[in-house]
Amino acid sequence: QVQLVESGGGVVQPGRSLRLSCAASGFTFSSYGMHWVRQAPGKGLEWVAVIWYDGSNKYYADSVKGRFTISRDNSKNTLYLQMNSLRAEDTAVYYCARTQTKYDILTGLDYWGQGTLVTVSS
Amino acid sequence: EIVLTQSPGTLSLSPGERATLSCRASQSVSSSYLAWYQQKPGQAPRLLIYGASSRATGIPDRFSGSGSGTDFTLTISRLEPEDFAVYYCQQYGSSPPGLTFGGGTKVEIK
Repeated sequence: QVQLVESGGGVVQPGRSLRLSCAASGFTFSSYGMHWVRQAPGKGLEWVAVIWYDGSNKYYADSVKGRFTISRDNSKNTLYLQMNSLRAEDTAVYYCARTQTKYDILTGLDYWGQGTLVTVSS
Repeated sequence: EIVLTQSPGTLSLSPGERATLSCRASQSVSSSYLAWYQQKPGQAPRLLIYGASSRATGIPDRFSGSGSGTDFTLTISRLEPEDFAVYYCQQYGSSPPGLTFGGGTKVEIK
């Protein structure tokens, strides 16, 4: 069965960096685009970034552009989010999610991880 | 950038009643690119509807989606106890590629 397991969250000081990972299993990881979506405590969902199935294209929300980098290692079935220059407003649960359709990112997100909490605080 | 506005913010209903949730876009959205999700406390979102009206795998037929252009609707025909949750609409844009979520509608037990 499809599984997405995030890791790497924790408490970090403002201005510091953190790298999140999302380990995928149960499907052909290299055939699907992947997203990061976050949710601040008690708030709604906010899209963060997307990466094409082959890593050839990446796009970011304006709120994280220039600070966050999405990447993937298809040989390890793992998605990453490198987060630099963290701010208090980046505090959220970060979810990785799979696009519904192979080779297409303009689709719904049909599988989500359980999320990992990032808290930015001094 | 397209903004999605969901209404009402909270819907108080009893089990067995019909729920009608609205999602309005600030500009026209291709129906192919509109989805709905359900989220329960402490859980990840679950895809319910994609392409505005197609149910995702395993979603009961009491959930239905409709709409076009700037106005979309999620209908739950008869609320079951497990349907009380927060619902989000989402559009996927192509220029530039990315997602936008609505602010959510909480369906609570009356």
